[in-house]
Amino acid sequence: DSGVTQTPKHLITATGQRVTLRCSPRSGDLSVYWYQQSLDQGLQFLIHYYNGEERAKGNILERFSAQQFPDLHSELNLSSLELGDSALYFCASSGAPGAGSGVQETQYFGPGTRLLVL
Amino acid sequence: AQKITQTQPGMFVQEKEAVTLDCTYDTSDPSYGLFWYKQPSSGEMIFLIYQGSYDQQNATEGRYSLNFQKARKSANLVISASQLGDSAMYFCAMRGLGTGGFKTIFGAGTRLFVKA
Repeated sequence: DSGVTQTPKHLITATGQRVTLRCSPRSGDLSVYWYQQSLDQGLQFLIHYYNGEERAKGNILERFSAQQFPDLHSELNLSSLELGDSALYFCASSGAPGAGSGVQETQYFGPGTRLLVL
Repeated sequence: AQKITQTQPGMFVQEKEAVTLDCTYDTSDPSYGLFWYKQPSSGEMIFLIYQGSYDQQNATEGRYSLNFQKARKSANLVISASQLGDSAMYFCAMRGLGTGGFKTIFGAGTRLFVKA
């Protein structure tokens, strides 16, 4: 158990709908990362938040948005869903960037949310 | 541009033998970290080992060791005494270190099959 929690575990929805995925980082971690894993694209970095602020953005579609709240949990919102958005969505957390030893920036992954868009 | 290359889509190894999973990378970040993760068929991503670009020694964690050759930009994972439970997908990843906004990139992965 990595200490990172994600809900829900599975989500089935229809095209055009909007869903929200939730992540709680490990105790003490200030950084949260979101990833999408699909068969054709592999593991893609979406976005990184540190202590409520966006730090880095990857291949995140405009239909997707994320935020990190004052209690450090994060939500990934996916809207106008398409069939191609079906994937495993991971959240990961780590310590503070630049906090001395790089090993503190090791990302620990949650169990993922498996999204199926029909 | 940053890039991680894992050239072995699949590997077979006999139980109790050692296996090396290849990873090469390209980056312009002056300081970076290299990570290996294991993804069993159940889907979770399990952190295995970390190597910092300025670390003088190769990282080791139990049966896992990282053969880091900075000049060649390679960070190969060595698993000693393979076990059946090592059968999984293995991903190499890289991220710039520091307070800048760095993206994390993953390789395509290597699927390891351990034979009894």
